[in-house]
Amino acid sequence: TQLLEQSPQFLSIQEGENLTVYCNSSSVFSSLQWYRQEPGEGPVLLVTVVTGGEVKKLKRLTFQFGDARKDSSLHITAAQPGDTGLYLCAGAIIGKNSGGSNYKLTFGKGTLLTVNP
Amino acid sequence: KAGVTQTPRYLIKTRGQQVTLSCSPISGHRSVSWYQQTPGQGLQFLFEYFSETQRNKGNFPGRFSGRQFSNSRSEMNVSTLELGDSALYLCASTPDSRQGSYNEQFFGPGTRLTVL
Repeated sequence: TQLLEQSPQFLSIQEGENLTVYCNSSSVFSSLQWYRQEPGEGPVLLVTVVTGGEVKKLKRLTFQFGDARKDSSLHITAAQPGDTGLYLCAGAIIGKNSGGSNYKLTFGKGTLLTVNP
Repeated sequence: KAGVTQTPRYLIKTRGQQVTLSCSPISGHRSVSWYQQTPGQGLQFLFEYFSETQRNKGNFPGRFSGRQFSNSRSEMNVSTLELGDSALYLCASTPDSRQGSYNEQFFGPGTRLTVL
């Protein structure tokens, strides 16, 4: 069973600070995704990383996939109150069956980020 | 395009009852996955349906079941409810994956189930 560990579990910071959250596993994933979930809503995909060592930037958010494709980090620069939410990482293993290529996502438990004004 | 819709949004049941939740995926998406989200366990995969067939299944007891209709709409059913079934149940739809690639999952807002 793949297990994704996210740290820290909770993070409360002031507006303008930088932060990094981590997602670690002993398993190798075909790809890894980061989602943000706000209260009362479902998760929304932020990014997918697929290549070991890959770095992707989305405005103030920087995502990195480990060289061995077992871990990932999300760095936020100059955090804003609008960044508040639950950040989830999810690892994907792509398999095949009679229905064609398919995947199964394993989610971490998330990092609950609060950015105070 | 309209997003993934789930009904009802909130539901209160008592132990021993059964419940059916509904999910309408984004138009054109044939894959629908169901997840259970709780504070202690996080998001846990229940099952995935593709073209009316269950394609993947998580580690949940047989009380949890699902189905998918020809229009890709999906339902999940939980029988003999237990207190521990209280959770947010999320549905996600995905466009058909191309060979060797991965497509994002689009989540609905969830159904909050409370079992008393």
